[in-house]
Amino acid sequence: QQQVRQSPQSLTVWEGETAILNCSYENSAFDYFPWYQQFPGEGPALLISILSVSDKKEDGRFTIFFNKREKKLSLHIADSQPGDSATYFCAASASSGSWQLIFGSGTQLTVMP
Amino acid sequence: DPKIIQKPKYLVAVTGSEKILICEQYLGHNAMYWYRQSAKKPLEFMFSYSYQKLMDNQTASSRFQPQSSKKNHLDLQITALKPDDSATYFCASSHPDTYNNQAPLFGEGTRLSVL
Repeated sequence: QQQVRQSPQSLTVWEGETAILNCSYENSAFDYFPWYQQFPGEGPALLISILSVSDKKEDGRFTIFFNKREKKLSLHIADSQPGDSATYFCAASASSGSWQLIFGSGTQLTVMP
Repeated sequence: DPKIIQKPKYLVAVTGSEKILICEQYLGHNAMYWYRQSAKKPLEFMFSYSYQKLMDNQTASSRFQPQSSKKNHLDLQITALKPDDSATYFCASSHPDTYNNQAPLFGEGTRLSVL
């Protein structure tokens, strides 16, 4: 049973468009949600994160929207650039425990020039 | 310069052999972790260490043994290797508590292939 789900599996957008990556979770104990960006051959890089007490978090072109009631969140990448082409992972953690992150399967984003 | 160093970057092993994956971090973190990424599964948590003590173990097999000789080192010994162990193994580190809400940072990984 996968606790963190991501959709779509792959996404293609044109340069300048907003890419929307979706994530949902099942465990109500999860209260911290980091997003990681991974390029081929590299490790996941922390991109942006949100606590469940917030419904929105912005960092430059990256915005997380969070809906606690529906257990859903989304990552919006505004003004997408070809350099944003990567796999994006949504992860979840319960702050009461250690940093045991539960990852989704990822969304592979391609930004066409 | 990378702050979490994993060695080697690539590793080929024979079934039944034993290998050690090296990880050291220079971020001043006191918590370290191992995660595994294989082709058909999401990144999976394996172990967490805090102040050189095992905190959490989600690996069913005793063939996987973390080793912490120094507070900024967390190596992973894998014995009796099987082809199913083929994956990329990531080391990560963070401050030990979740209070400051800073998620773990990951190394570049060791890509293990077991023939």
